[in-house]
Amino acid sequence: GDSVTQMEGPVTLSEEAFLTINCTYTATGYPSLFWYVQYPGEGLQLLLKATKADDKGSNKGFEATYRKETTSFHLEKGSVQVSDSAVYFCALSPMDSSYKLIFGSGTRLLVRP
Amino acid sequence: GAVVSQHPSWVICKSGTSVKIECRSLDFQATTMFWYRQFPKQSLMLMATSNEGSKATYEQGVEKDKFLINHASLTLSTLTVTSAHPEDSSFYICSATPFSETDYGYTFGSGTRLTVV
Repeated sequence: GDSVTQMEGPVTLSEEAFLTINCTYTATGYPSLFWYVQYPGEGLQLLLKATKADDKGSNKGFEATYRKETTSFHLEKGSVQVSDSAVYFCALSPMDSSYKLIFGSGTRLLVRP
Repeated sequence: GAVVSQHPSWVICKSGTSVKIECRSLDFQATTMFWYRQFPKQSLMLMATSNEGSKATYEQGVEKDKFLINHASLTLSTLTVTSAHPEDSSFYICSATPFSETDYGYTFGSGTRLTVV
């Protein structure tokens, strides 16, 4: 079945460091891909998305490129801030019409001043 | 933008009682809503798909008699945890999508933390 694999956390970085959180997926065809962020005690917020191969999603300095050849959607940010500390979830939506989301296990990011 | 409101944000109940959680789409109609459960420091697990005007579709392993879902209107879905027990304590999150050809994303509620004592 369809699945999403994320790198395990926690990831601890100093402010202004470069961030990469790896995400790979298994799915038939061309699923839509998403990154969601969850701040402590809150629900999920959509960070960025890509709906077809080679698309780049971007928002708030974060970027991720839909790589069909490597079935990956790695999240990157050039310079993290303390306020970026949160849990990041990679997710996919299969090609069928169910509109379901399949989530990775989440990666906790801690940015130190 | 699309907003999903979830209520209550937290609730504490006694073992054996039932708790109802509401999920509302505030500025769009949602024929389909989704209910997730999140255990501490873990990912979200899809529990069921709520369909307006029809029965919900439950994921394998989810007890439909324990987690009653009602989607009576295009803007409201409710999840009732019946005869709650401490093992039902968790973070419950709903989501909906104002699906269109150009906007394919999901909006999540802020979640409900249920504690059963």
